[in-house]
Amino acid sequence: AQKITQTQPGMFVQEKEAVTLDCTYDTSDQSYGLFWYKQPSSGEMIFLIYQGSYDEQNATEGRYSLNFQKARKSANLVISASQLGDSAMYFCAMREGGGRAGKSTFGDGTTLTVKP
Amino acid sequence: SQTIHQWPATLVQPVGSPLSLECTVEGTSNPNLYWYRQAAGRGLQLLFYSVGIGQISSEVPQNLSASRPQDRQFILSSKKLLLSDSGFYLCAWSRGLAGVNEQFFGPGTRLTVL
Repeated sequence: AQKITQTQPGMFVQEKEAVTLDCTYDTSDQSYGLFWYKQPSSGEMIFLIYQGSYDEQNATEGRYSLNFQKARKSANLVISASQLGDSAMYFCAMREGGGRAGKSTFGDGTTLTVKP
Repeated sequence: SQTIHQWPATLVQPVGSPLSLECTVEGTSNPNLYWYRQAAGRGLQLLFYSVGIGQISSEVPQNLSASRPQDRQFILSSKKLLLSDSGFYLCAWSRGLAGVNEQFFGPGTRLTVL
């Protein structure tokens, strides 16, 4: 069965510094996708970044990058130059590659607080 | 562009009352649709997903049910709410052809059962 583990319930970072949010996963599938979502206090889930299991390069989207280490089954999110607006809960998720539905498994999240 | 709507935004219901939450998607056709529940401070738990009209798959046993009467409409229902049904309910859609596409979430419904 798929499982996502986020070991950091809460993280603090100083504004303008970089922060890494950890995510490890477990799956027997060869094809899968890894995602990071941001959930501000308003509750909406905002898609940040995606990494495919066959992608050889780490994904990047603006200030977000995904440190993908397939052998270690880790998919850490790196946020560079943190901003106050980055304070939110962050979820790592994995979706099966096979089948049409592509159901996602989510971790329990990490609450990030950016300090001014 | 695609948009996803959910209503109501918040709901307070007594135990034993019925429930109907609605989700609609605009700007795409034949989407995969999902209902998730999020307990306070926790991750998302997949409740139901649908790959087409009338096709519903349940992920966890519960007193909730889902229906998809139209291609872009997904409804979450209950005949009698329990206290444990309280939570934040999120509807999501994804493109139907490949499993690795990202999901897009609606704004959510915060349900409190008293």
